[in-house]
Amino acid sequence: SQQGEEDPQALSIQEGENATMNCSYKTSINNLQWYRQNSGRGLVHLILIRSNEREKHSGRLRVTLDTSKKSSSLLITASRAADTASYFCATDADQAGTALIFGKGTTLSVSS
Amino acid sequence: SQTIHQWPATLVQPVGSPLSLECTVEGTSNPNLYWYRQAAGRGLQLLFYSVGIGQISSEVPQNLSASRPQDRQFILSSKKLLLSDSGFYLCAWNRQGVGETQYFGPGTRLLVL
Repeated sequence: SQQGEEDPQALSIQEGENATMNCSYKTSINNLQWYRQNSGRGLVHLILIRSNEREKHSGRLRVTLDTSKKSSSLLITASRAADTASYFCATDADQAGTALIFGKGTTLSVSS
Repeated sequence: SQTIHQWPATLVQPVGSPLSLECTVEGTSNPNLYWYRQAAGRGLQLLFYSVGIGQISSEVPQNLSASRPQDRQFILSSKKLLLSDSGFYLCAWNRQGVGETQYFGPGTRLLVL
């Protein structure tokens, strides 16, 4: 079942601009994660934010989490052509199981 | 350090033929293991996960099965492939625990003709 839903589905920007992607989910969570996938490759973990955290930074990445709205955002600042990829959010759905539930992703295109 | 391997990278199979995709993890013990399928331009669909040898949970009833014959080996199989089995298959692992980060293999692109 789909838990996370990313928005927008696709985003095209110029190098140097900021890119913001949003994720909404349906049930309570322990944490929320963002992953990146280059075309035809596996997913790479970017950042994890716990349910008691509101904001987290990693390099040019900034993630926010609003548990009252059941939403998260991923901001990539000063984007580069190499940031072109699909970005997925994933949640654990606050259950004892170990599986993550992934959204459908946002495809980001950064042109130089 | 841990690594995850998947093979083959690409596979073209006729309808009705069997399938066996293999995934192995190195550098860790007792991992949770996962098989996902990703249709073109779509999100990930969890197919199977395993928390231990011989323990398989199926998320979606379908033409596929999974087995975990060894601690760090996860196999995805089918007796007879369907056209709809085409897709990008990803194996992943994580440590025991709730919501742990998953680490993905490079994927296998399967085309059923």
